[in-house]
Amino acid sequence: GQQVMQIPQYQHVQEGEDFTTYCNSSTTLSNIQWYKQRPGGHPVFLIQLVKSGEVKKQKRLTFQFGEAKKNSSLHITATQTTDVGTYFCGRAQKLVFGQGTRLTINP
Amino acid sequence: SAVISQKPSRDICQRGTSLTIQCQVDSQVTMMFWYRQQPGQSLTLIATANQGSEATYESGFVIDKFPISRPNLTFSTLTVSNMSPEDSSIYLCSVPLTYGYGYTFGSGTRLTVV
Repeated sequence: GQQVMQIPQYQHVQEGEDFTTYCNSSTTLSNIQWYKQRPGGHPVFLIQLVKSGEVKKQKRLTFQFGEAKKNSSLHITATQTTDVGTYFCGRAQKLVFGQGTRLTINP
Repeated sequence: SAVISQKPSRDICQRGTSLTIQCQVDSQVTMMFWYRQQPGQSLTLIATANQGSEATYESGFVIDKFPISRPNLTFSTLTVSNMSPEDSSIYLCSVPLTYGYGYTFGSGTRLTVV
């Protein structure tokens, strides 16, 4: 089935720096969802993107869906320690996750 | 949105035994999903549990090893059978969010097989 590849696997930043994780698919996606999993927690839904070129913002988080609907990105501006966790993208309709990007932050 | 109660939250089991994990949802949902998350890894879909029919298993997962029950629209169980240390993982159930986009997850069952 459709697989989504996510990079990087790990990212360590200083607090206040920006962070971006990327999701790529070899085939066109009907939609893509993003989740955050805090250490020791379970995934929590952040957002769904459906339209080609769509950009959505949630405070310091910016989500983009590529024009070809084959890639997506999550960008966090000025990271805070509360942003620590693993960020997963996934294709919906029987949710299949990418490998995730683990974000750690130096305060 | 739907709230899931999952239990047990953790267990330590002897190899060769079985463990049944329960998920109770506070509203009726058509589909429930079961995932496995091995340490430091992403979530892997085990199966989709449909009420009134057999579960649909993903490649690499079989009913004899992971039997699933779905007696009604608010409840499901996953059994991990004849356990080995390789089954040590976190197991999570999931259902669609009430308003249609995204999924919500149970708090997970951390299983250690010794």
